[in-house]
Amino acid sequence: DTEVTQTPKHLVMGMTNKKSLKCEQHMGHRAMYWYKQKAKKPPELMFVYSYEKLSINESVPSRFSPECPNSSLLNLHLHALQPEDSALYLCASSQIAGPDTQYFGPGTRLTVL
Amino acid sequence: EDQVTQSPEALRLQEGESSSLNCSYTVSGLRGLFWYRQDPGKGPEFLFTLYSAGEEKEKERLKATLTKKESFLHITAPKPEDSATYLCAVQGASGGSYIPTFGRGTSLIVHP
Repeated sequence: DTEVTQTPKHLVMGMTNKKSLKCEQHMGHRAMYWYKQKAKKPPELMFVYSYEKLSINESVPSRFSPECPNSSLLNLHLHALQPEDSALYLCASSQIAGPDTQYFGPGTRLTVL
Repeated sequence: EDQVTQSPEALRLQEGESSSLNCSYTVSGLRGLFWYRQDPGKGPEFLFTLYSAGEEKEKERLKATLTKKESFLHITAPKPEDSATYLCAVQGASGGSYIPTFGRGTSLIVHP
């Protein structure tokens, strides 16, 4: 089974709201990732967690706050977002935080009004 | 810096008309080349990982091949359900080797 799940599928929020995106995998993978994807562009890496510790933050604004409560779960907390943050947010996982195949979830379509 | 260029940007085929998508790459020490399929508004679906020149992998109507400079995704007798964007990505040995570099994708439309 190579399934990564994400909730919610769609999210509409105002610029003053606080919301969270959730990601779960049960493949025993020890690396998890958040990506942001705009229309007709490739995914852009935001964060990498390795063994539940943040190992890479690609200079992401502080209004995005990741959290890894355990090896199967990954959250992305959102606060005071801007309309330009509207995008498809993708979670991925791989066995190790090294050269390895990444498996993506279905994504959360985020719209910021 | 790793680079990936996919061509063509868009491809329209008739059902049953076989063709190939290209992924040209520049990477310092290839650790893996990945092909994904992405439907509109969905996450990328993993297709293949290739590790060394000469390697080939097949899945249904798709076959991926790898040389030292490029990879091809061959689609044999495509069906309308093969319509999607196909993404290529590479992982190299330099820098953060677990950060893949993605191409911009090839948008494939197969007409019935």
